[in-house]
Amino acid sequence: GAVVSQHPSWVICKSGTSVKIECRSLDFQATTMFWYRQFPKQSLMLMATSNEGSKATYEQGVEKDKFLINHASLTLSTLTVTSAHPEDSSFYICSAMAGPYSGANVLTFGAGSRLTVL
Amino acid sequence: DAKTTQPNSMESNEEEPVHLPCNHSTISGTDYIHWYRQLPSQGPEYVIHGLTSNVNNRMASLAIAEDRKSSTLILHRATLRDAAVYYCILRDVGDKLVFGAGTILRVKS
Repeated sequence: GAVVSQHPSWVICKSGTSVKIECRSLDFQATTMFWYRQFPKQSLMLMATSNEGSKATYEQGVEKDKFLINHASLTLSTLTVTSAHPEDSSFYICSAMAGPYSGANVLTFGAGSRLTVL
Repeated sequence: DAKTTQPNSMESNEEEPVHLPCNHSTISGTDYIHWYRQLPSQGPEYVIHGLTSNVNNRMASLAIAEDRKSSTLILHRATLRDAAVYYCILRDVGDKLVFGAGTILRVKS
């Protein structure tokens, strides 16, 4: 079945530094990738949608200059949290979709990356 | 995005069937009903999806009401590994996958 690999699975960084999280579709080409964040005991919140070769579309309230998303190939999308602060500490999850953007399409999710900013 | 309503939590005994309900009274004719689940500290995983007819796969069954205003995810024999948050989501062409609060399923041994 479809597999999405996310790396790193956890990261601890100092306040003010930038952190990059990678999301790779291992056995399929992902035309669209989605990035979510999840705070403890809360549901997933969609941050942005990225399509290969084009700029990401950010959800309302998500700072595009803080959360840089690059979808340079059909198998790789990256999320960079720039100048991270403790309030950015969260569980970041990517998902990928192959094929046309239809209601029947199933998403495959990565295992998530837990970011802790000290 | 059309909305869904799920109970906050449910409890089941191991080896027994579990019926997880979802109400979606404002569903449109082209909305697919998707179910995902999230185990603790993991990303969500796909469970099942359908449009109008009932669906079965190796993980679960999806029973869709005739008027499509509600659906039920059926786990035929719950195991401890099925303890997770289950999300019922409606998705149409061009729709993003937007997660609600979901149902926390607890399985007792």
